[in-house]
Amino acid sequence: AQKITQTQPGMFVQEKEAVTLDCTYDTSDPSYGLFWYKQPSSGEMIFLIYQGSYDQQNATEGRYSLNFQKARKSANLVISASQLGDSAMYFCAMRDLQGSARQLTFGSGTQLTVLP
Amino acid sequence: DSGVTQTPKHLITATGQRVTLRCSPRSGDLSVYWYQQSLDQGLQFLIQYYNGEERAKGNILERFSAQQFPDLHSELNLSSLELGDSALYFCASSSGLAGSDTQYFGPGTRLTVL
Repeated sequence: AQKITQTQPGMFVQEKEAVTLDCTYDTSDPSYGLFWYKQPSSGEMIFLIYQGSYDQQNATEGRYSLNFQKARKSANLVISASQLGDSAMYFCAMRDLQGSARQLTFGSGTQLTVLP
Repeated sequence: DSGVTQTPKHLITATGQRVTLRCSPRSGDLSVYWYQQSLDQGLQFLIQYYNGEERAKGNILERFSAQQFPDLHSELNLSSLELGDSALYFCASSSGLAGSDTQYFGPGTRLTVL
C-alpha cells in the first residue's frame, strides 16, 4: 500500500521569497511517480509537477522544482519567488508505475498563504 | 482550463435521492478517474475506466456506480444519498494507462445532501 504524508497543515511565506512544502512517502513499489497539485480556493485541482522514481534529475517547471531524495523517501516542492496567487492548498500524490493500479494516492495537503 | 468538463458545478439534494454526475475527458484521453474530496476523508479514489471498461475500484460504496460511454464521457451515479455523501467529486482524465501519464482534473461537482 502507498502512503503520502504532508506534515505541514499550514505554511506562511512572504511574497517574493522561496518556500518548501514537505512530502514524505511510503511504498513497496519499485517504480513509482510523484505528483504535486495545487487547489486554489475556487476548488479546481491544477497539476504542477511530476517526478519519476528513476529520473536522474530533479524535476523543474518554471518556479516549481521538486527536491527528490529517494533514500529519505521525500519529494518536497520548492516554490521560488512566491506570488500572492500561489496562496492555495497543495497536495502531494503518488502512483505505481508498473502495476495495474493507476489511481493517485494523495496526502492531506498543505495550506500555503503568501503574505504581501 | 484543464480541458476536462464536469456538470453540474453544484448539486443540492435530499437524503435518499439519486443523482448523476457527468464528466467529459480531455480530447483524446481514454482514461477517466473519479475522486471524492471530503473534509474528513480527504481526496479518495473511487473508480477508473479505460476506453469504456472498468479498470480499478477504490473506496466506492455499493450505492455508487459509474460507467464510461462509447464517446468516452463518464457518469457517476450516487443513490440512496446520505448526509455523509456531501463532498466535492472530481473527474480526472489521462491519455492512457502509463503510470507517468498526468491526470488532469475537472473543476469538480460540489454535492450537498440535506
